[in-house]
Amino acid sequence: GIQVEQSPPDLILQEGANSTLRCNFSDSVNNLQWFHQNPWGQLINLFYIPSGTKQNGRLSATTVATERYSLLYISSSQTTDSGVYFCAGSGGSQGNLIFGKGTKLSVKP
Amino acid sequence: DAGVIQSPRHEVTEMGQEVTLRCKPISGHNSLFWYRQTMMRGLELLIYFNNNVPIDDSGMPEDRFSAKMPNASFSTLKIQPSEPRDSAVYFCASSLGLAGGRQYFGPGTRLTVT
Repeated sequence: GIQVEQSPPDLILQEGANSTLRCNFSDSVNNLQWFHQNPWGQLINLFYIPSGTKQNGRLSATTVATERYSLLYISSSQTTDSGVYFCAGSGGSQGNLIFGKGTKLSVKP
Repeated sequence: DAGVIQSPRHEVTEMGQEVTLRCKPISGHNSLFWYRQTMMRGLELLIYFNNNVPIDDSGMPEDRFSAKMPNASFSTLKIQPSEPRDSAVYFCASSLGLAGGRQYFGPGTRLTVT
């Protein structure tokens, strides 16, 4: 099955800093998504981005499907950005997502 | 829309008891997914349905687990008998379509089996 590798596993930022999170896939995926799990455990879908670039406020994501990776950019980080960021994808015609282990982000005031 | 609704939010039960978790997907979504999250194994898919039909149940850990989707607006995940190693957060998610589609997660049910 598809393997999903996320880096870095942990990240500590000062409020206002920018960061880039990376997700690598062992095989091609066509259903790539980014999620944020907040400290209360809620999973929020940030992006559905099988290819290309999307932006939503201070967040943006880029997927290079041919090279099997995706990047999540967080600009001007805020303490509310803290939590765990997951990427997930599936292959072929399947809808089941395989999740990475996540990047734990802590933004300090 | 109300989003994906799960109940109960917390469940504490004794080993050997039956546990039933419930999920109401977003209205109009035709795919429903059950996930389990633990520290050891992370987020893993248990089973998913499309148009109320189970498509892939290969993630269901063993026969003690079963899931049903009797109609488009309701699904259950049942564990019988429950064991301490079943303690986890169980998430339900829904999406529009089968292959692909943005998945929206419910708040989860935190299950503790003592």
